[in-house]
Amino acid sequence: NAGVMQNPRHLVRRRGQEARLRCSPMKGHSHVYWYRQLPEEGLKFMVYLQKENIIDESGMPKERFSAEFPKEGPSILRIQQVVRGDSAAYFCASSPRTGGGTGELFFGEGSRLTVL
Amino acid sequence: EDQVTQSPEALRLQEGESSSLNCSYTVSGLRGLFWYRQDPGKGPEFLFTLYSAGEEKEKERLKATLTKKESFLHITAPKPEDSATYLCAVEAAGNKLTFGGGTRVLVKP
Repeated sequence: NAGVMQNPRHLVRRRGQEARLRCSPMKGHSHVYWYRQLPEEGLKFMVYLQKENIIDESGMPKERFSAEFPKEGPSILRIQQVVRGDSAAYFCASSPRTGGGTGELFFGEGSRLTVL
Repeated sequence: EDQVTQSPEALRLQEGESSSLNCSYTVSGLRGLFWYRQDPGKGPEFLFTLYSAGEEKEKERLKATLTKKESFLHITAPKPEDSATYLCAVEAAGNKLTFGGGTRVLVKP
């Protein structure tokens, strides 16, 4: 039973390029969350998605960042025109979300973005 | 806005030296408090969920407790393999978990 799969694990981009991070949730989970972790800081919520819907994007920067979770395929976090401050570890988590609340989140191993 | 504060930021222990980590929170309507363990270069790994004041959960050398304002993670007779960052998170009325900054624990043999 595969866990949450994220790729790439490491990504290097130059300033101004685009970064695409992919996340496949655990089997049977239809709720996906993206978090960002800056060096020596805690996890910061970015966005919560269900299949084909963005439910809560209150933690997402208004510009350059977007997320999707299509009917088929993985969830994608897209960062356009990256800047050095975007360098961080981006974690995806999934949840079955039974019982109405967020519940326990299952995290992937993260994608580490370095912007040169 | 939900707030979670963890202390201390870092903790150095000798093997066998028991200690406690603190997680204080300010939320409106706590639905659950979560503890995770994170190893370097890895994603957080779920440890416990606590739902109401007075609740306690145990797993091996770890025990988590919850009051109305804070949670403690007690590490009894730690071993070097307990070295990790321990993260606390709360779920309130929103659609997400709000995490604290974590406590980095180093257990020396």
